[in-house]
Amino acid sequence: SYVLTQPPSVSVAPGQTARITCGGNNIGSKSVHWYQQKPGQAPVLVVYDDSDRPSGIPERFSGSNSGNTATLTISRVEAGDEADYYCQVWDSSSDHHVFGTGTKVTVL
Amino acid sequence: EVQLVESGGGLVQPGRSLRLSCAASGFTFDDYAMHWVRQAPGKGLEWVSGISWNSGSIGYADSVKGRFTISRDNAKNSLYLQMNSLRAEDTALYYCAKALGPQSIAALNYWGQGTLVTVSS
Repeated sequence: SYVLTQPPSVSVAPGQTARITCGGNNIGSKSVHWYQQKPGQAPVLVVYDDSDRPSGIPERFSGSNSGNTATLTISRVEAGDEADYYCQVWDSSSDHHVFGTGTKVTVL
Repeated sequence: EVQLVESGGGLVQPGRSLRLSCAASGFTFDDYAMHWVRQAPGKGLEWVSGISWNSGSIGYADSVKGRFTISRDNAKNSLYLQMNSLRAEDTALYYCAKALGPQSIAALNYWGQGTLVTVSS
């Protein structure tokens, strides 16, 4: 089955840039979606189809995808961005959605 | 406003069954695929099952295939998950989620607050 690997944690100072990676075999050929989950809350879609943002999501959230790595970039990080972030793809070989292992973003 | 409200969770013994429901409102239900995603305590997200807008395409995670059945009633704006032969490892918060489009491959743009399933003797 398809595996998506994320770093367990990323730490960033307020105002700086956080980059969260999502590794998978030839992930650049797939559409990658990113979710933010704060403690005790349901996940929220922040980026879909590699780099599109749903309405209401700040422009500070952006995505890219190439080769074997997709990246979620959070610019000008704020305290409210502290959360777990998950990448996700549709694996056409198994007709399954696959989630990444998740990354906890800590704002210092 | 899109709303997804799950119900039906609870404490159940191993080997028993449970049926989850998700009541949807605020959008044209039969235009979108729907999914169930679960999260074990302190763990990450795990996709469980998805169903296309017209129930023509259905998929399951390997961990639940043969035990769980997803269904929808477009007339009632409702999504269901029949869970049989429950195991301790099925213990999780189960989320109902709406897809961005009619087919299951799309991202999940709205989520309910979840219903907790605990499998224990």
